[in-house]
Amino acid sequence: DAKTTQPPSMDCAEGRAANLPCNHSTISGNEYVYWYRQIHSQGPQYIIHGLKNNETNEMASLIITEDRKSSTLILPHATLRDTAVYYCIVRAYNAGNNRKLIWGLGTSLAVNP
Amino acid sequence: TAGITQAPTSQILAAGRSMTLRCTQDMRHNAMYWYRQDLGLGLRLIHYSNTAGTTGKGEVPDGYSVSRANTDDFPLTLASAVPSQTSVYFCASSDSEGTQYFGPGTRLLVL
Repeated sequence: DAKTTQPPSMDCAEGRAANLPCNHSTISGNEYVYWYRQIHSQGPQYIIHGLKNNETNEMASLIITEDRKSSTLILPHATLRDTAVYYCIVRAYNAGNNRKLIWGLGTSLAVNP
Repeated sequence: TAGITQAPTSQILAAGRSMTLRCTQDMRHNAMYWYRQDLGLGLRLIHYSNTAGTTGKGEVPDGYSVSRANTDDFPLTLASAVPSQTSVYFCASSDSEGTQYFGPGTRLLVL
């Protein structure tokens, strides 16, 4: 699975949109972009995933560039409860070789009042 | 739905002792995983199981063993604990699309 690069930390004002970038320049054609987050001391939580098209669910929106080399997770109206570490991962859809799933250090997002 | 449950929540263990971390899921997922998370290193895969009756080694398998007798349970055993196994351990399962769901974690301190 391809490697991802994320900024180590970001700040966002409560109520504003949080835009978290991820670079995955070596992504392959069959690899999806997944986003998870980990609130302090809890297990990671799935947020959203996509292949080519932009995706939206009740938690967030995922914008993937046309060349698929980068993506942005958007939390449209960040709240204090969105303070967490956000992980961007690329992996083949339903890949059986789970040994290659690489979790980086993610982006620590601080939402400030 | 409970999802993934892990036990114990936390444990202090003397070096050299053995311990089994329990993990149970109620989502009927075929694939399950054990990760450890250490400060500054992120999540690292210890062992995984693609389906009941099969297991495989992850990135850091040494000192750990797993079994998968049925779909729901995936215990992780430390045969002889060492201080370097002090960590937070997360169990996860994944659905047919590969999305992973995590348990609340077990915090282990080996002295």
